[in-house]
Amino acid sequence: AQKITQTQPGMFVQEKEAVTLDCTYDTSDQSYGLFWYKQPSSGEMIFLIYQGSYDEQNATEGRYSLNFQKARKSANLVISASQLGDSAMYFCAMREREETSGSRLTFGEGTQLTVNP
Amino acid sequence: NAGVTQTPKFQVLKTGQSMTLQCAQDMNHEYMSWYRQDPGMGLRLIHYSVGAGITDQGEVPNGYNVSRSTTEDFPLRLLSAAPSQTSVYFCASSFGLAGSDTQYFGPGTRLTVL
Repeated sequence: AQKITQTQPGMFVQEKEAVTLDCTYDTSDQSYGLFWYKQPSSGEMIFLIYQGSYDEQNATEGRYSLNFQKARKSANLVISASQLGDSAMYFCAMREREETSGSRLTFGEGTQLTVNP
Repeated sequence: NAGVTQTPKFQVLKTGQSMTLQCAQDMNHEYMSWYRQDPGMGLRLIHYSVGAGITDQGEVPNGYNVSRSTTEDFPLRLLSAAPSQTSVYFCASSFGLAGSDTQYFGPGTRLTVL
């Protein structure tokens, strides 16, 4: 079963507008972490934001915020005031502590965001 | 801090050749891991290590070996390269194993096997 689902292969947004990238996850663990990474065309993986399963407040990092709805198992990334440099692939990932996998990150398939001028 | 470094950045191999992808981190992280990213996909775990001298298999370990003789270094060895191993390889590290521990990635190695 897919553990991380990103249903939007591609998204478009106008510069200076906000955009939400969807992510749903599946786990039976009580303790886990949710992460968003940005991968620009240059290829590196850049950590953006983290949300812990026990955190009651939604995480924020500058223009990035994570809309965490635990009961729905969703962890959507919101980018406010989009910039041209935000054009990239965005990956949602989950980290569970599993004895058999050494607490690996499980990634979704990504959403390609394009910011239009 | 250099963070996580990987060498080489690009590599072309012929089928059957072997090579080692290097990974080092200077953050004193205990947990290190190797992922591969195939076109249009997320990353999949190859091998990981929870500390010096300890390694284990991830989701797609076949055709790869790892070792962890020091905390800093975690090389990935391709035993006999195959075209199916054409991919981008990322090394990552984190302080520990908790769900809250952020994994930081190296810049990646783009490998092509002909």
